[in-house]
Amino acid sequence: DVKVTQSSRYLVKRTGEKVFLECVQDMDHENMFWYRQDPGLGLRLIYFSYDVKMKEKGDIPEGYSVSREKKERFSLILESASTNQTSMYLCASSKQGQETQYFGPGTRLLVL
Amino acid sequence: QKEVEQNSGPLSVPEGAIASLNCTYSDRGSQSFFWYRQYSGKSPELIMFIYSNGDKEDGRFTAQLNKASQYVSLLIRDSQPSDSATYLCAVNDYKLSFGAGTTVTVRA
Repeated sequence: DVKVTQSSRYLVKRTGEKVFLECVQDMDHENMFWYRQDPGLGLRLIYFSYDVKMKEKGDIPEGYSVSREKKERFSLILESASTNQTSMYLCASSKQGQETQYFGPGTRLLVL
Repeated sequence: QKEVEQNSGPLSVPEGAIASLNCTYSDRGSQSFFWYRQYSGKSPELIMFIYSNGDKEDGRFTAQLNKASQYVSLLIRDSQPSDSATYLCAVNDYKLSFGAGTTVTVRA
């Protein structure tokens, strides 16, 4: 079975803090994605990566950056957390050439 | 304009009935379409995908695609309380675009 894990299920941070969200997949998938999910808005793509050290902006990249130093790990970074970044963050991965994405359990981030 | 629109919920159906979920999309060039199910507090999981016009059946689930009308639907037959969840429609046009989801409640 595909397994996508995220470093934390719940996280509370203060405004202005630097926040790291980690995602690891164990199925040798090339593609990895970061989404945020908010009520009434569905899942919105923040960043994605098709290969190591490669990244592309999604629909809402402002205020975020990412890092992919290893194939299995994709990190989302909030350089200076703000209250409007309070959300559920979901990581996903997929095999190159296959469109099915497998999601991690999510990290619920609260920025105070 | 939102790329993927789903019929607003919540949708409440009695056990054993058919639940019908609708989704429209704006990009006429989209080629692949997905339905994900998300239980409360959990992450989305894929239940069906469809690429060709027409119907695709998998157990109690049927996906219907009409590319001319830019419309994809999901039917859940013989609805069970375990089907109570939020259903997300997703459309692939080099990246997945998700609708906001429709919450379904199946009444026992």
